Amino acid sequence: EVQLVQSGAEVKKPGESLKISCKGSAYSFSNSWIAWVRQMPGGGLEWMGSIYPGDSDTKYSPSCQGQVTISADKSISTAYLQWSSLKASDTAIYYCTRLATGGSGFDYWGQGTLVTVS
Amino acid sequence: DIQMTQSPSTLSASVGDRITITCRASQSISSWLAWYQQKPGKAPKLLIYKASGLESGVPSRFSGSGSATEFTLTISSLQPDDFATYYCQQYNNYPWTFGQGTKVEIK
Repeated sequence: EVQLVQSGAEVKKPGESLKISCKGSAYSFSNSWIAWVRQMPGGGLEWMGSIYPGDSDTKYSPSCQGQVTISADKSISTAYLQWSSLKASDTAIYYCTRLATGGSGFDYWGQGTLVTVS
Repeated sequence: DIQMTQSPSTLSASVGDRITITCRASQSISSWLAWYQQKPGKAPKLLIYKASGLESGVPSRFSGSGSATEFTLTISSLQPDDFATYYCQQYNNYPWTFGQGTKVEIK
C-alpha cells in the first residue's frame, strides 16, 4: 500500500531553523510529484510547492518562494520542507501529498506534521 | 493567481438529503479540478479528480461535474460519515489553489 509517513511534531522558537520530512513507500518515488500543503490553525488548505524527485524540478507558490526550501533525496524516497528562520506565522500543520499519475489530483497524503513556533 | 470561490461556506443538512457545493474559478481551468473531504484532525481525502472522475474506493453517492469556471460536487444522499469540510482545488495553472472550504453540518 502506498504510504507517505511524515516526521513528528516540532516546537521551535522564532528565528530557529527546521527541516521536516516525508518518506514515501510502495511506489516509484522518483516518478511522482510530491507537494507540501499548509493548514494554519482553523484555516483552509494552501499549496506551498511541489517537487519531482526524479530530477528535483521544483515549483513554489509565490507566497512561499524564498520563505521555505523544498528538496528530495530519491535514494531514500524522502522529501523535505525546510525553513532557515521560523516565524510565529509559520505555526501550522504541514502535509505532504502525492500527485496521482496523469495529474489526477493528490491521491495519497501524509499524516501531517504540526509545527508550533512560539 | 486563479481564485477558487466555494459556496456556501457552511451547509446544514440532514441524513438522506441531496446536497450540492459549488466552486467557481476566476478563469478557465478546463477540467483540472479536484474535490477533497477533510474531517477534523485528519488529512484531506481525494474524492473527485478531473472535475468528474470518481476516485477509487469513494462511494458512488459522490459526483462531480462542470468545466471551465463552474463546478459542482453533489452528494446524492447524505450519510452520517459525510459530515466534514469539502475543498475544491485547481491544478491547471501554478500556483495551484484551493477554495476556502465548505463545512457540511448536521441540521
